[in-house]
Amino acid sequence: AQTVTQSQPEMSVQEAETVTLSCTYDTSESDYYLFWYKQPPSRQMILVIRQEAYKQQNATENRFSVNFQKAAKSFSLKISDSQLGDAAMYFCAYGASGTYKYIFGTGTRLKVLA
Amino acid sequence: DGGITQSPKYLFRKEGQNVTLSCEQNLNHDAMYWYRQDPGQGLRLIYYSQIVNDFQKGDIAEGYSVSREKKESFPLTVTSAQKNPTAFYLCASSMGTLQVETQYFGPGTRLLVL
Repeated sequence: AQTVTQSQPEMSVQEAETVTLSCTYDTSESDYYLFWYKQPPSRQMILVIRQEAYKQQNATENRFSVNFQKAAKSFSLKISDSQLGDAAMYFCAYGASGTYKYIFGTGTRLKVLA
Repeated sequence: DGGITQSPKYLFRKEGQNVTLSCEQNLNHDAMYWYRQDPGQGLRLIYYSQIVNDFQKGDIAEGYSVSREKKESFPLTVTSAQKNPTAFYLCASSMGTLQVETQYFGPGTRLLVL
């Protein structure tokens, strides 16, 4: 069975600094997608970034980038120039191609210190 | 603006009562999903629907029921058989093209038991 593990329940970062959130997953599939979602205090889930497993290039969205290591089954999220508005729960999610199901990790709460 | 709406924002259930959570989307998406979120856990899939008049059980379907009579609507009923209904419920939708797609989430409903 596929699993997603986020081993950091909580992280803190100083404003304007860089932080990396970890995610590992387990699957026997070769074709899949990985996602990072942000859940601010409003609790609305917002897509941060998405990575297709067949792409070797790491996805980037402005200050957010991923380090996708397929062989190691690792998918970390790097937030550069952290802002107060980045404070939220961050969830890593996995979806196998051809299915409708996501598997979510348990989340990492990110605190941004002024 | 296109999006997903959920109502009510807060819902209170008495013992033995069935309650229904509303989810509506105007994104013209075929697939819709219901998730349950508990503290310290990731999102868990309750039910999903790939197309009108069809739906499948997710990982924690016991005590819940759904219907999909219209493309835009996917209501979730929490029945009296669900013994621990207190949680945050999130509805999502995606295009439904059988590839793993980005899921877009509504603002959620908080269900509390009186």
